[in-house]
Parts: sequence; C-alpha cells; structure tokens
Amino acid sequence: AQSVSQHNHHVILSEAASLELGCNYSYGGTVNLFWYVQYPGQHLQLLLKYFSGDPLVKGIKGFEAEFIKSKFSFNLRKPSVQWSDTAEYFCAVRTGANNLFFGTGTRLTVIP
Amino acid sequence: DTAVSQTPKYLVTQMGNDKSIKCEQNLGHDTMYWYKQDSKKFLKIMFSYNNKELIINETVPNRFSPKSPDKAHLNLHINSLELGDSAVYFCASSPTGMNTEAFFGQGTRLTVV
Repeated sequence: AQSVSQHNHHVILSEAASLELGCNYSYGGTVNLFWYVQYPGQHLQLLLKYFSGDPLVKGIKGFEAEFIKSKFSFNLRKPSVQWSDTAEYFCAVRTGANNLFFGTGTRLTVIP
Repeated sequence: DTAVSQTPKYLVTQMGNDKSIKCEQNLGHDTMYWYKQDSKKFLKIMFSYNNKELIINETVPNRFSPKSPDKAHLNLHINSLELGDSAVYFCASSPTGMNTEAFFGQGTRLTVV
C-alpha cells in the first residue's frame, strides 16, 4: 500500500531562516506530488505540484520543491521564512485518478 | 462564489445521534472526497467518488455512509455517533485524472459529547 511520510513533526524557525521539510513516499509507479498548506483555522490550499518535467517546481509565496525519483522524495524549501508562514504543511501523493493520500503533516512555527 | 462548500461549519452533538454533513462543489469536477482530520492534524482519506460512483472506501466504519445524489454533491451521514468521531471533516473535489489538484472545503468541526 502506498504511504507518505513527513519526518518533521514540528519545526520552529526564526524569521529569515531557511526551511526544508522532508517528504518521502512509498509507491513504485507513476506519482503526482503536491504540497498543501493549512493556516490556523483554515482549509487546505495548494502550494505547489509536480506532474512531470523539471523536477524543481516553484509554487506560491516563494516556496519550491524538488522531486528526486531515486529517493522517492519531494522536499519543500523556502530560502527565508516569514512569520506569516506559520502553518501546517502537508505533502500529498496521487497514485491514481481518484485518490490523494496525505502525509502526517509538519507544523511550522516561525518566531518573529 | 465558494468553490467547495460544506455545511455546517460546526456541529456539536451527543453520542448515539445521527448527523449529516453536506458538501457541494460548483467547479464541475467529477471526483469528490471526504477526509477526516484528527486532533493531531493527520488527514486520512475516507471516501472518494467519481461521477456518483464509490471508488475508495478506506476502512471506515459502516456507521459512515456517503451519498452522492449527483456529481456536484457528496454528503456524509454518520449513524450512532461516538466520541472518537470528533474531528474536522473536509470535503474536496478534483477533475478526474492523475494531473489534477484537489480543492478543499472549509471543513466541518464535529464534536461529539
């Protein structure tokens, strides 16, 4: 069965620090990959997605992610975080047309 | 216009009751989902429907019964509510196909007392 792992449960950073959140998946076939963000009390919003092509994808608000097929990874990065980036971040994997599996989420707290 | 809307936003009910959560999307998508987010923020897929047909049923108790009267609606009915059902339930929709993203509703916070 496919699974999505996010090893960082809670990350605390000061403003302007660089961010990298890990995401690994276990599925041998074709996957599409996503990062969603959930701000406090809100619904999930798409940050970025990878379907094919350039493995380095850029999303909104300065976020980017790199797909490394050999490592089954899709890590999220941002060079300089802001207080407003405080949120829950979810990696998600689509292995078929009608599914979308999420990781356990990483809480990011940015200290002003 | 809200793309994926859920009602109610908050639901407080006693154990043993039966309740429903409604979801509607106006995006013209063929696939709809229900997710449960527990207190630790873990998002677990419960069901997915494609064109009113059940595609995924992820080890959810029989007390949970989704109903899709048309492809724009996917309602969730829960019988005999238990304390452990307390969570935030999210509805989502997407076009059919691998290369598509899902759009989420605002969530329904269910509290069983």
